[in-house]
Amino acid sequence: DAKTTQPPSMDCAEGRAANLPCNHSTISGNEYVYWYRQIHSQGPQYIIHGLKNNETNEMASLIITEDRKSSTLILPHATLRDTAVYYCISASKNTGGFKTIFGAGTRLFVKA
Amino acid sequence: DTEVTQTPKHLVMGMTNKKSLKCEQHMGHRAMYWYKQKAKKPPELMFVYSYEKLSINESVPSRFSPECPNSSLLNLHLHALQPEDSALYLCASSQGQGVQHEKLFFGSGTQLSVL
Repeated sequence: DAKTTQPPSMDCAEGRAANLPCNHSTISGNEYVYWYRQIHSQGPQYIIHGLKNNETNEMASLIITEDRKSSTLILPHATLRDTAVYYCISASKNTGGFKTIFGAGTRLFVKA
Repeated sequence: DTEVTQTPKHLVMGMTNKKSLKCEQHMGHRAMYWYKQKAKKPPELMFVYSYEKLSINESVPSRFSPECPNSSLLNLHLHALQPEDSALYLCASSQGQGVQHEKLFFGSGTQLSVL
């Protein structure tokens, strides 16, 4: 599994875009990049995933660099409820199946 | 129904007790997972079941014993735990473990305290 590196914490003003970076320089060709978030006292929640192309859904956008060594999760209009720990994960198939291994994540604080 | 339901939400047990954590999903998912999460740390994978068979065991001590009675249910049997096993235990499910990784749906967890 590729190791991912994220900044430990970030601040964002409410209503502004939150851009969360992730470095996955050892990612291999068949490994997807996944983002989850975990709000305090809850289980992690899936946000978005991608392989090569940029992706967008109702929650966020995912921008993956052409060399696939890094990506950015964009929350276009952050709200106070987006305060959470955001995990960037690369997932690949191993013997026995897929493993979703969480790194340390980024603690995002959205401030009024 | 897109929920993964875990019971109980909180559990306090002594080191000599035997208890079980339960997890249930009705999304037709065929893969289920147990994770352990210590305070301010990321979740750590413990076990993966695929089509009711244990497919991944991340070298978890035998005092944790998983069981998958059917495709909707996942149990974690606990026996002779240590205080350091106190943590949030998270269950998750996904459609399968096929050619493409599937997104995981998590329950809210069981907060376990071992005295």
